[in-house]
Amino acid sequence: ETGVTQTPRHLVMGMTNKKSLKCEQHLGHNAMYWYKQSAKKPLELMFVYSLEERVENNSVPSRFSPECPNSSHLFLHLHTLQPEDSALYLCASSQFLGGDEQFFGPGTRLTVL
Amino acid sequence: QQQVKQSPQSLIVQKGGISIINCAYENTAFDYFPWYQQFPGKGPALLIAIRPDVSEKKEGRFTISFNKSAKQFSLHIMDSQPGDSATYFCAASMEGGSQGNLIFGKGTKLSVKP
Repeated sequence: ETGVTQTPRHLVMGMTNKKSLKCEQHLGHNAMYWYKQSAKKPLELMFVYSLEERVENNSVPSRFSPECPNSSHLFLHLHTLQPEDSALYLCASSQFLGGDEQFFGPGTRLTVL
Repeated sequence: QQQVKQSPQSLIVQKGGISIINCAYENTAFDYFPWYQQFPGKGPALLIAIRPDVSEKKEGRFTISFNKSAKQFSLHIMDSQPGDSATYFCAASMEGGSQGNLIFGKGTKLSVKP
């Protein structure tokens, strides 16, 4: 595998379910990001990790819980989501924080019923 | 207010034509302006980027024009091809920012007709 991979690619869940999204980067980068992409809004940054420490949480509801066990892996734990949380969730990584190229994964298409 | 405004929302261009997408920003502290290209089913990928010390950057058929005083920058795609059909996002950030935030525009869906 190369670049940034995400699993699953598609996920359908009920409002009471608990699920997790997984991201893995094979680039040796130090920073990782979660974004939300929905039809009518710009890409929204949700969480930023640098060297496995969270450095940014853009007022994301607590029903989204990130985890970064090491510099190559990033998880997004989901619980009691709302239908408006249906979106494409993108993971990205960059060599360092700051104005650096971010490499995106293909995303997980999430549908909340 | 950290915001990047992008226009148009959608664009249809004939093959061989020039595609132009515009972005405007408000925060004068921004000093890194990338353009990302996204194909259906894929994540965005960096296409070309510029820093404010130059007014233009060209890579192949893709050119960024930057106007610091107007706080605007644009992407020009010369000799547009059907393979260029994708969604394009402009973005802005502050280099070296501790948060590494890229602020994205809403995107422009480009369709290049054969």
